[in-house]
Amino acid sequence: GDSVTQMEGPVTLSEEAFLTINCTYTATGYPSLFWYVQYPGEGLQLLLKATKADDKGSNKGFEATYRKETTSFHLEKGSVQVSDSAVYFCALINAGNMLTFGGGTRLMVKP
Amino acid sequence: GAVVSQHPSRVICKSGTSVKIECRSLDFQATTMFWYRQFPKQSLMLMATSNEGSKATYEQGVEKDKFLINHASLTLSTLTVTSAHPEDSSFYICSASPGTKSYEQYFGPGTRLTVT
Repeated sequence: GDSVTQMEGPVTLSEEAFLTINCTYTATGYPSLFWYVQYPGEGLQLLLKATKADDKGSNKGFEATYRKETTSFHLEKGSVQVSDSAVYFCALINAGNMLTFGGGTRLMVKP
Repeated sequence: GAVVSQHPSRVICKSGTSVKIECRSLDFQATTMFWYRQFPKQSLMLMATSNEGSKATYEQGVEKDKFLINHASLTLSTLTVTSAHPEDSSFYICSASPGTKSYEQYFGPGTRLTVT
């Protein structure tokens, strides 16, 4: 079946550092890929998405490119802020039309 | 934006008792609601999908008689954990979708269940 693998956290960075959170997937066909973010005490929110190969999703300074050749969708941000501290989930939707999530990566940004 | 609430946020119950968790879409009508379970440091696992007015569709391995789901209205779904045991202790998350796009789910903040 489909699966999503994320780097384990926590990832601890200083403010203004560069962020990469790795995400790879296993799926048949052509899934759509997503990043969700969960801030403390809140529900998951859709951060960005990409629906086909080579698409780049972007939002709030975060970016991720759908790489079919490496089955990856790594999340990046050039300069993180303390307010970016949260748990980030990579996910996909395939033919079954249901979300499959990765295990989540906690990001902690220190001032 | 769309808001989904869950109640309670935390609950502790004794083994053998039942506990009900509510999920409400506050500012939109939810055609479909989803219930997930999250174990520590693990991914969200879909338990069941429910459409208003019809029976829930459970994922493989999820006991229907243990996890009762009711989606009585377009803004409310409930999950009842019956005859709870310590292994049911987990973080339960609901989400609600206003339409047919599965990724357009709005998530509740989750409920931490501890069974003693």
